[in-house]
Amino acid sequence: GNSVTQMEGPVTLSEEAFLTINCTYTATGYPSLFWYVQYPGEGLQLLLKATKADDKGSNKGFEATYRKETTSFHLEKGSVQVSDSAVYFCALHTGANSKLTFGKGITLSVRP
Amino acid sequence: GAGVSQSPSNKVTEKGKDVELRCDPISGHTALYWYRQSLGQGLEFLIYFQGNSAPDKSGLPSDRFSAERTGGSVSTLTIQRTQQEDSAVYLCASSFLPDTQYFGPGTRLTVL
Repeated sequence: GNSVTQMEGPVTLSEEAFLTINCTYTATGYPSLFWYVQYPGEGLQLLLKATKADDKGSNKGFEATYRKETTSFHLEKGSVQVSDSAVYFCALHTGANSKLTFGKGITLSVRP
Repeated sequence: GAGVSQSPSNKVTEKGKDVELRCDPISGHTALYWYRQSLGQGLEFLIYFQGNSAPDKSGLPSDRFSAERTGGSVSTLTIQRTQQEDSAVYLCASSFLPDTQYFGPGTRLTVL
């Protein structure tokens, strides 16, 4: 079956620090990969996605590259801001089953 | 445009009571999903509707849970004889493409 593994959290960084959040997956078929973000008190928002190997998704300064050889989709940002404080979820979807399979999520706190 | 809306935003009920949660998807989206977000279990898929096809109910945790989608639009998730372990945030999502799902703000259910 499908599964997503995210690095353990929480993560606390200072403003302007570099961010990497690891995500690896197991899937049958060829998944599409997603990062969703949940800001405090809000619902899930799609942050970025990639649908095939070597694709790079990007949004709001965040990037993630679909690495089939390492089954990974790590999230990166060069310089985090306080406003990036949120919970980040890695997820995948395969055509065989339309449900999203999520990782456990990781809480990011950015201090001024 | 309008996003996915859910009502109520919060629901407190007593153990053993039935509850109904409502979801209004984005207009034109043919697929609708329900997920549950809880501290212990993370984000779990519950049920998926696609057009006029039979729903995928594979994620429903027990026969106390049911959902319907009327006219290919609004959906209602019903939980009968609620238990304390049903306490969670229930999220609805809709999509037009098979993989990009857009989430509503959720309904926080508390079973006393």
